[in-house]
Amino acid sequence: IAGITQAPTSQILAAGRRMTLRCTQDMRHNAMYWYRQDLGLGLRLIHYSNTAGTTGKGEVPDGYSVSRANTDDFPLTLASAVPSQTSVYFCASSDVAGGPDTQYFGPGTRLTVL
Amino acid sequence: GQNIDQPTEMTATEGAIVQINCTYQTSGFNGLFWYQQHAGEAPTFLSYNVLDGLEEKGRFSSFLSRSKGYSYLLLKELQMKDSASYLCAVRDSDYKLSFGAGTTVTVRA
Repeated sequence: IAGITQAPTSQILAAGRRMTLRCTQDMRHNAMYWYRQDLGLGLRLIHYSNTAGTTGKGEVPDGYSVSRANTDDFPLTLASAVPSQTSVYFCASSDVAGGPDTQYFGPGTRLTVL
Repeated sequence: GQNIDQPTEMTATEGAIVQINCTYQTSGFNGLFWYQQHAGEAPTFLSYNVLDGLEEKGRFSSFLSRSKGYSYLLLKELQMKDSASYLCAVRDSDYKLSFGAGTTVTVRA
């Protein structure tokens, strides 16, 4: 079982370009999340999806969009990248069913926007 | 929203005990999590508290006081591999997590 995979591992992108970060989980979790992690700020929620077909905005959604066409995939798109979007991006998933419903994280994508 | 505070850095000696405090102010509380994150890696789950009291899991223990908005993570018998960042996270009633900035623990020989 792979758990959660993210692609690419790292990317250098010119400002203004469009970029999609991919996230796939094989645990059949109903909820998925995208975070960015910046030094001194910790993990901040960008967007989330509680179930396939639904999405919601987190703490820092501007400049990002997501879709959840099925249970396994949750891509994050930067329509027109800006240098302030340079960060490490983590995808996570959880099975929201009561109790801990622990979030499990993918390995991350390191994105640099120049 | 959530306001979560934890110390930025702590240093301790191998074999010692370290306590990482976390205070929070929340508009809705539905559990507190501790994650461990080694440099360049993803966060991994350590512990979960939803009721007041102490949860013990091997060398790691976590405590919660909901009335005080306070938690701590206790790391006993420190090992070099425990050098990492420790993230406190509070879950709200919508099952979304808010994270503190993390505490970097350095274990010295």
